[in-house]
Amino acid sequence: QRQLQESGPGLVKPSETLSLTCTVSGGSISSSSYYWGWIRQPPGKGLEWIGSVFYSGSTYYNPSLKSRVTISVDTSKNQFSLKLSSVTAADTAVYYCARSRAYCSGGSCPREWGQGTLVTVSS
Amino acid sequence: NFMLTQPHSVSESPGKTVTISCTGSSGSIASNYVQWYQQRPGSAPTTVIFEDNQRPSGVPDRFSGSIDSSSNSASLTISGLKTEDEADYYCQSYDSSNVVFGGGTKLTVL
Repeated sequence: QRQLQESGPGLVKPSETLSLTCTVSGGSISSSSYYWGWIRQPPGKGLEWIGSVFYSGSTYYNPSLKSRVTISVDTSKNQFSLKLSSVTAADTAVYYCARSRAYCSGGSCPREWGQGTLVTVSS
Repeated sequence: NFMLTQPHSVSESPGKTVTISCTGSSGSIASNYVQWYQQRPGSAPTTVIFEDNQRPSGVPDRFSGSIDSSSNSASLTISGLKTEDEADYYCQSYDSSNVVFGGGTKLTVL
């Protein structure tokens, strides 16, 4: 049974904001042992780290996406979320949520992954 | 910017051993943990090696990871190859400012 599950719209219009949620099951998102992160993969291409969040709200972002990304945590729902603004076709990708051990700086060691969700940017 | 370079593809026969390299562009690859992920077509990545050379439970001991500081590279070695090992493999590490993935290596077992 997967512990991480992504959800959100599969289609987003150009210039709008992409919003995804990752629901954590089988444990508390408020644990000080983990960071929670997002990674994406354009069709037929490699993996790109987007950023991560700690239960306290501390965040780390990929410098190339930082101006458009917000990652937040909702401990009451055991969820964390991704918002990516001003999207273009280049943001079309499978988006994965992942869990990293907290002793890896800024959530830099993803270990458990969700199944991923495809988001297409198109009008 | 810190980058990780992998061979685009490798191939080997069942039962043989294959090694996939991952070379860091700068700094010391030994300074930060390296992870390896396996991705079969149509599936999410799964971790086969974490923290340079540790295997998650359920990953067979045919998979091993190592670091070579002299060449600033990490390696994933798969012994006793099986057809089910055919997949894309990605290395991953980080520097002070970013988390980085290698470009991926397509392993063909034929």
